[in-house]
Amino acid sequence: DSGVTQTPKHLITATGQRVTLRCSPRSGDLSVYWYQQSLDQGLQFLIQYYNGEERAKGNILERFSAQQFPDLHSELNLSSLELGDSALYFCASSVGGQGNSPLHFGNGTRLTVT
Amino acid sequence: EDQVTQSPEALRLQEGESSSLNCSYTVSGLRGLFWYRQDPGKGPEFLFTLYSAGEEKEKERLKATLTKKESFLHITAPKPEDSATYLCASGVNYGQNFVFGPGTRLSVLP
Repeated sequence: DSGVTQTPKHLITATGQRVTLRCSPRSGDLSVYWYQQSLDQGLQFLIQYYNGEERAKGNILERFSAQQFPDLHSELNLSSLELGDSALYFCASSVGGQGNSPLHFGNGTRLTVT
Repeated sequence: EDQVTQSPEALRLQEGESSSLNCSYTVSGLRGLFWYRQDPGKGPEFLFTLYSAGEEKEKERLKATLTKKESFLHITAPKPEDSATYLCASGVNYGQNFVFGPGTRLSVLP
């Protein structure tokens, strides 16, 4: 158990809809990272937060947004969903935000857009 | 441009047949080299961090080593339960902080 909790585990929704994915980081970790992994593909970095502030953005679509709350949990909002958004979405947390301490991943939210 | 490559893309071993996986990195200012194991449909599981060339870490049948340009994950006498995708990542103090390789898909046959 990594200590990172993601909900829901599975999400099935229709094109054009909006969903929210939730992540609770490990106790004590200040950084939260979001990744997308499509079938048999690598991890694509979306966005990073550190102690409530956005730190870095990757290949995140304008239809996607995220935030980190004062209690350090984070939410990833996906809107105007398209079939191609179907993927596993992972949250990971880390003590710092400088690439020198490991990421700990949750078990992901599997999003299916029909 | 920061880059992490892994080879081979896929590896099939017989149970007990030792081998090594390679991770080559080109980044500015490596802060750490990380190895993960990922089972299908699950999140990557942290295995090792290596910080400097010459460093080695071991855990059961796995040993990770680091040079200035690459890292190796040695698997000794693997078992079927070692079958998974193994990912490496370079840690950097800028941008997305972690540059992941594409992974090596390991299958260990009984």
